[in-house]
Amino acid sequence: EDQVTQSPEALRLQEGESSSLNCSYTVSGLRGLFWYRQDPGKGPEFLFTLYSAGEEKEKERLKATLTKKESFLHITAPKPEDSATYLCAVRSNSGGSNYKLTFGKGTLLTVNP
Amino acid sequence: DGGITQSPKYLFRKEGQNVTLSCEQNLNHDAMYWYRQDPGQGLRLIYYSQIVNDFQKGDIAEGYSVSREKKESFPLTVTSAQKNPTAFYLCASQRGTGYEQYFGPGTRLTVT
Repeated sequence: EDQVTQSPEALRLQEGESSSLNCSYTVSGLRGLFWYRQDPGKGPEFLFTLYSAGEEKEKERLKATLTKKESFLHITAPKPEDSATYLCAVRSNSGGSNYKLTFGKGTLLTVNP
Repeated sequence: DGGITQSPKYLFRKEGQNVTLSCEQNLNHDAMYWYRQDPGQGLRLIYYSQIVNDFQKGDIAEGYSVSREKKESFPLTVTSAQKNPTAFYLCASQRGTGYEQYFGPGTRLTVT
């Protein structure tokens, strides 16, 4: 069974204070690792997909990286508008489905001005 | 604009009543999904459908039912058999194998 663990559960940063969020995973044959941003009361917004170890993707102040056991979401010089819950999900070969995602519980990021 | 719509945004029901949540997409995506989100928990898969007229149970299908008669629509019925139906329900769609999922805005269901 696929497992995804995100840490920390919550993170408070000052504006401009860079940091990283962690997503550790255990899967049988990774077919993709996905990062989403979720604002309170809204649906998740897709950020990145990573497929293989060593891959990196960037978007504005966010950079996602992938190893064989975990992914990091690096936030550089965050702003208050980056405050949200960040979700990590994996897709694997297990269960014979190429469609199902397994989600972590998320990291609640708060950036204070 | 292409996207996924869910209605209504808020829904209130009495215990013992069935309720149907709407999900429509105009992205021409083949696959559609229903998730449930509870505080402090990750998204949990209820049902998914890869093609029209076919769907599979997810991890927590008990007390729920779905249909997929049209490519654009994937309604979810929360039946009276669902023991703890109060939650935030999210619909998603996906273009095909290996692609990312896109989510709707969600429906918050409260059952009292």
